[in-house]
Amino acid sequence: GQQVMQIPQYQHVQEGEDFTTYCNSSTTLSNIQWYKQRPGGHPVFLIQLVKSGEVKKQKRLTFQFGEAKKNSSLHITATQTTDVGTYFCAGHPGAGSYQLTFGKGTKLSVIP
Amino acid sequence: DTGVSQDPRHKITKRGQNVTFRCDPISEHNRLYWYRQTLGQGPEFLTYFQNEAQLEKSRLLSDRFSAERPKGSFSTLEIQRTEQGDSAMYLCASSPGWGRGYNEQFFGPGTRLTVL
Repeated sequence: GQQVMQIPQYQHVQEGEDFTTYCNSSTTLSNIQWYKQRPGGHPVFLIQLVKSGEVKKQKRLTFQFGEAKKNSSLHITATQTTDVGTYFCAGHPGAGSYQLTFGKGTKLSVIP
Repeated sequence: DTGVSQDPRHKITKRGQNVTFRCDPISEHNRLYWYRQTLGQGPEFLTYFQNEAQLEKSRLLSDRFSAERPKGSFSTLEIQRTEQGDSAMYLCASSPGWGRGYNEQFFGPGTRLTVL
């Protein structure tokens, strides 16, 4: 079945440093979504990428979808303490399936 | 509050008992999903409803699990003969199924199940 892998599993950064998490799927995806989960909270939708090579920005967050639609990345510029949480990518295989396969997530800690 | 709600928020049960959880999605969202999440893992897909029709189930889902969405609004997830391995957070999510944000999933707070 489809697998989605994320690296790194943990990342500790000094406030103001940049952060990147990478996501790789074992199969080509129809689209990929990114979610953020704060400690003790539930996943919150950040963005969906659909097109090959797509790049989207949300303030300090930049999301990319690979040309082959099998990988994606999330980059945060100048991290803040409010960025703390676990970032998940989740892939949709398409082809009539509505199943969203989540990666294990990257847990971000920001040291003030 | 017009978000996704789940009830109960916590459930402690003994092994072998049956449990049922309820999810109330955002009104007018026709898509509803159930997930299970354990510590250090991402949410694991369990099942998907479009309106009242259950269109997809995880192939890994035990037949002790069953879900319904009888009128296309709220949904229930039942686990029969619970096992300790069923202990997890059970998350419900809904998405509009139409419009620009058709696929954006809104998650509820979850029901934490502990099986003793």
